[in-house]
Amino acid sequence: GESVGLHLPTLSVQEGDNSIINCAYSNSASDYFIWYKQESGKGPQFIIDIRSNMDKRQGQRVTVLLNKTVKHLSLQIAATQPGDSAVYFCAERNDYKLSFGAGTTVTVRA
Amino acid sequence: NAGVTQTPKFRVLKTGQSMTLLCAQDMNHEYMYWYRQDPGMGLRLIHYSVGEGTTAKGEVPDGYNVSRLKKQNFLLGLESAAPSQTSVYFCASRKGVEAFFGQGTRLTVV
Repeated sequence: GESVGLHLPTLSVQEGDNSIINCAYSNSASDYFIWYKQESGKGPQFIIDIRSNMDKRQGQRVTVLLNKTVKHLSLQIAATQPGDSAVYFCAERNDYKLSFGAGTTVTVRA
Repeated sequence: NAGVTQTPKFRVLKTGQSMTLLCAQDMNHEYMYWYRQDPGMGLRLIHYSVGEGTTAKGEVPDGYNVSRLKKQNFLLGLESAAPSQTSVYFCASRKGVEAFFGQGTRLTVV
């Protein structure tokens, strides 16, 4: 079965608020955890990654947190914008494989 | 720079027919992947390749075959299509952590 999964399938956020998307994983051997964004009708796009020996990494308006104790990964989006509406996937890299969870659909309310 | 290109974009097959999906990348990436995406199930790995001439099975390989005769191309074949193979298929390639995805192929088997 899948080793990467998300807590909630949908998330509705007010424009301007911060978003937090959660993901649980089960494979402790993965060396990288990655977040992807998929807009309607398109392929997934890379957002940010975090190596397994780190607990936090920041990008432009996004922060990824990794808690290896409870096998939890989260993506925080600051000041959510309408263009952030999409499906977000967490993924893990183990050897050559890239495994994805089911995804969270984020809807931004104006 | 085209990135990852999938052909065709849409296809309707009758049960039992065969077809080949083509994925081409111009980034000189070693690793290539084929995924299928079904509602509520995220992306599931069908087959992958770690280099020219190599292929390996992913999570859901049954009913599919692949070939990587040239580094830039990764072909996914369906020998005898079944309605359960109705899905959106995505190809991806990567060199480092970041994977680049094609636009997808929507396949319907009737």
